Amino acid sequence: EVQLLESGGGLVQPGGSLRLSCAASGFTFSSYAMSWVRQAPGKGLEWVSAISGSGGSTYYADSVKGRFTISRDNSKNTLYLQMNSLRAEDTAVYYCAKVIRAYSSSSIAFDIWGQGTMVTVSS
Amino acid sequence: AIQMTQSPSSLSASVGDRVTITCRASQGIRNDLGWYQQKPGKAPKLLIYAASSLQSGVPSRFSGSGSGTDFTLTISSLQPEDFATYYCLQDYNYPFTFGPGTKVDIK
Repeated sequence: EVQLLESGGGLVQPGGSLRLSCAASGFTFSSYAMSWVRQAPGKGLEWVSAISGSGGSTYYADSVKGRFTISRDNSKNTLYLQMNSLRAEDTAVYYCAKVIRAYSSSSIAFDIWGQGTMVTVSS
Repeated sequence: AIQMTQSPSSLSASVGDRVTITCRASQGIRNDLGWYQQKPGKAPKLLIYAASSLQSGVPSRFSGSGSGTDFTLTISSLQPEDFATYYCLQDYNYPFTFGPGTKVDIK
């Protein structure tokens, strides 16, 4: 069964750091790009970051650029999100998602999602 | 960044109704758009990718159309399990952006 399991969320003070992990199983992890998406309480979805299958290419939302770092360890089938200089507005459920590419176009999509991990930034 | 808008922001419908949700991009995005369904407390679920391709396992009452800047998600006959919030997502370029969502509830 294809599965993603996030961990590492919790309560952190403003300006602090946290590292999220996403353990993947049931598919060839290194063959797929991966992404992080977050959802603040009662709000909509916000794309955060993405990384290629090899880890050689990374992309970020403007709201987290320079503060968050996405990475992956293909030997451990694990995706990471290092979050530094955290702010109250980073409070959200963070989801990791597996990326698939459409056969007939350049379009991609997030076909498998984890259950999410809650990050609360508060003093 | 490309801005995505959705209309309506919410709607009330009955079981069996035909429901249409619209998503508009601030610039042309070819067909690089997906639709996701989210129920309270759950992770989003992929319904449609590449604007009109139905994800495996998704019921055929869901369909997507559009290209360029205007896109539509249609539910041909609303079922009880379809009451949820629906989001579009552009994957034309980074940073990817979601629409604000459309909440579908019971009339």
